[in-house]
Amino acid sequence: KNQVEQSPQSLIILEGKNCTLQCNYTVSPFSNLRWYKQDTGRGPVSLTIMTFSENTKSNGRYTATLDADTKQSSLHITASQLSDSASYICVVSAGYSTLTFGKGTMLLVSP
Amino acid sequence: DSGVTQTPKHLITATGQRVTLRCSPRSGDLSVYWYQQSLDQGLQFLIQYYNGEERAKGNILERFSAQQFPDLHSELNLSSLELGDSALYFCASSVGSGSYEQYFGPGTRLTVT
Repeated sequence: KNQVEQSPQSLIILEGKNCTLQCNYTVSPFSNLRWYKQDTGRGPVSLTIMTFSENTKSNGRYTATLDADTKQSSLHITASQLSDSASYICVVSAGYSTLTFGKGTMLLVSP
Repeated sequence: DSGVTQTPKHLITATGQRVTLRCSPRSGDLSVYWYQQSLDQGLQFLIQYYNGEERAKGNILERFSAQQFPDLHSELNLSSLELGDSALYFCASSVGSGSYEQYFGPGTRLTVT
């Protein structure tokens, strides 16, 4: 069964600090891995999409890594801002269009 | 603003009723996806349409159905509603099918009482 596990479930950090969110997956056949940011009550917004051959991708202060051998991904947030407070969702695509979503990591950036 | 529009924004209805949620994709996008997000379940993929044809199916109940029209807007029909159907329903669109970025709409919050 395709599964995506994210850790931690929630995280509180001080403004200006860095943090790393983890995603482990058992999805086959692997097509791509995406990270989304979702503000409460709003639609998710794509941060990165990585295919099998990519192991790092950045989007501003967000850097995602992918290790296809160990089936792990991480999302590193640098110099956090209050606006980074949101849920971060890891999504893995199996085959053509089937997406498996993680339950997300709820990040709170505190002043 | 993602360019994807969804109506209505909120919907309150009773058990056993039927509702229709509407989605207009971004201009030029051919794929439309429907997702359900419950408090305890996270986002669940329901169904995808590409240029009017069903392309992929996820955890969609038989009481639910969807279609994509020639103008590419899509509707999600939910019937025989149960309390457990209360959730946020998101529509997303992408230019193609596969590893394309999906743009999510603002969602429709459905409350079944």
